[in-house]
Amino acid sequence: EAGVTQSPTHLIKTRGQQVTLRCSPISGHTSVYWYQQALGLGLQFLLWYDEGEERNRGNFPPRFSGRQFPNYSSELNVNALELEDSALYLCASSFLSHRGLIPRPSNTEAFFGQGTRLTVV
Amino acid sequence: AQTVTQSQPEMSVQEAETVTLSCTYDTSESDYYLFWYKQPPSRQMILVIRQEAYKQQNATENRFSVNFQKAAKSFSLKISDSQLGDAAMYFCAYRSGVQGAQKLVFGQGTRLTINP
Repeated sequence: EAGVTQSPTHLIKTRGQQVTLRCSPISGHTSVYWYQQALGLGLQFLLWYDEGEERNRGNFPPRFSGRQFPNYSSELNVNALELEDSALYLCASSFLSHRGLIPRPSNTEAFFGQGTRLTVV
Repeated sequence: AQTVTQSQPEMSVQEAETVTLSCTYDTSESDYYLFWYKQPPSRQMILVIRQEAYKQQNATENRFSVNFQKAAKSFSLKISDSQLGDAAMYFCAYRSGVQGAQKLVFGQGTRLTINP
């Protein structure tokens, strides 16, 4: 069974440009999470998508956005790139049980992809 | 907001010896989950071990075990019989049990070196 896949693996962009990163979750997983791992700053939560909707957002400016498609794959878009956006962007997926409109937490872990290394010059 | 602190930026251990990585967290919630993730040079985050806060028994996975002290908000990882393949960054992480709050909150990480 394929794990979480991310593309591209590496990317170099110029300041001010826009970039799109892609993530395919494990089959059967409905939730996708995006994290930024900048040098010396640990992993910071960016976005959480579940069943096509944005469920939660970290403390990042609006130029960080994304979406989740009907097949549960996801894109992370970053507009007006800045030098400090250089980081490893990690995507993770998990399965949630759904009762009502809000996903219920479970003890299922999140599985991570290998990340996209973005360098802004 | 919840926070996770790993006070050891780097640790080293001799192969076959035992090492303990420290982690403390801060939360006002009673329902949550704690995790240790390993990140080797390949960059992929790999789950090492998981602990549910409502369970008093410490989790174990082969050579990996935790010391979960809920009152002290401490969650240390013990690696026994260290192997060269254990060399990696180790991250402690917290996840709320609150409905709709699925994000992981990570510590800053501990770089573990295994000396042959």
